[in-house]
Parts: sequence; C-alpha cells; structure tokens
Amino acid sequence: DTGVSQDPRHKITKRGQNVTFRCDPISEHNRLYWYRQTLGQGPEFLTYFQNEAQLEKSRLLSDRFSAERPKGSFSTLEIQRTEQGDSAMYLCASSPGTGYNQPQHFGDGTRLSIL
Amino acid sequence: DAKTTQPNSMESNEEEPVHLPCNHSTISGTDYIHWYRQLPSQGPEYVIHGLTSNVNNRMASLAIAEDRKSSTLILHRATLRDAAVYYCILRDRSYGQNFVFGPGTRLSVLP
Repeated sequence: DTGVSQDPRHKITKRGQNVTFRCDPISEHNRLYWYRQTLGQGPEFLTYFQNEAQLEKSRLLSDRFSAERPKGSFSTLEIQRTEQGDSAMYLCASSPGTGYNQPQHFGDGTRLSIL
Repeated sequence: DAKTTQPNSMESNEEEPVHLPCNHSTISGTDYIHWYRQLPSQGPEYVIHGLTSNVNNRMASLAIAEDRKSSTLILHRATLRDAAVYYCILRDRSYGQNFVFGPGTRLSVLP
C-alpha cells in the first residue's frame, strides 16, 4: 500500500504529557498537511509544508503545537503539555506538485485521548 | 471565510442516483469547488473538483450552476459503500489558501 501512513493509530495519555505523531506521505508528494477533527465536525486545518518548509500555520494553532518535516519526507506533529481539549483525530494529508487545487490524499489519522 | 452550506443529512436507496447539493454564494471567480467524502473510521477521500463546467470521473459527476453559487455532486448509482459524510469545500482566501471543511452531509444508503 503506497498511501499516507500515520502512526500510532491511537494514543491515550494523561493531561500534561507530551505526545508526538508521525506521518509518512505518499512518496514524492511535495505538500504535507496536518488537520484536526473532533466528533461531528469536518477536519480543521492546522499547518502545511512545501517540501521541508513550513509555509502556513492556522491562526488558531496554540504554541504548544509544533510540526517538522526534516528533509521533506515524513513529518511529526508534537503537542506539549496536553489538555483535555486536545482530544481529537489528527489527520495528515499529502499532495503532489505546488498547486493549491491538487487532490489531497489523507491518512486514516491518529486518535488522541487525554485522560 | 470560504463558506459552503450543505444539508446535514440525506437518505438514498441502493442503486438509485443521489444528488448532494451545496451552496457557495460567496465564491470568487477563480475558486475551485472540491468534494471529499469520509467513510467511518477513515480519513477523507477525494471525490471530484471543478471550476465552471460540469466534471465527470469514475466516482461521480459535479454539476456547477451557471452563476457558480451552487453545485451538485451526483452519484449515479448509490451503493452501500457510498454511505459517508460528503464535504463540499472551498479555499479560505481570507487567510492562506487552505481548505475549510464544514460539517458536511451525512449520506445514508438503504438496501
């Protein structure tokens, strides 16, 4: 399977702990996106990368969230000092090229539960 | 904000056509209309996108109104596997160029 891969699929942690998620995009896809989705809502944009450069971040994104994409391949999303409100599905997507209208290919997400 | 309006839910019978409407009255002249769907416990899946004229692919057809203020996603013969949440999406031109997902339309397909 050459789709977008996310790890882990589920993460349970205590409030205040740090967590890190990994996303492996489709090979040679230049763009990589992170979204967050809560129950009953559509995905909410968090940030995206063009190769290794982080080009945009949501204005609503807390500074407890940080993302990296070293060497323009896989990406990690870290949440520091987790809070109850961080409980959600975290989705990663990738797309080829540099155009904004290229279809995005999504992974199946990492579900985060904060105890 | 790139806002779209969709019905919360719709129902269809298996093997019948389904027409999923979307209103986007504030669309700008160069905005593409994108449709994605999300099956239970999966990430969203690209369905189709278009600018002005109607578009067809193996999954669906997209009919775009002449004034571009509304569009309709057409599934020609619904199957049980088409039961999903369908999102009609524009880009957020007020900030960056990113997708703005609404709550979508939950499609139920009855056998």
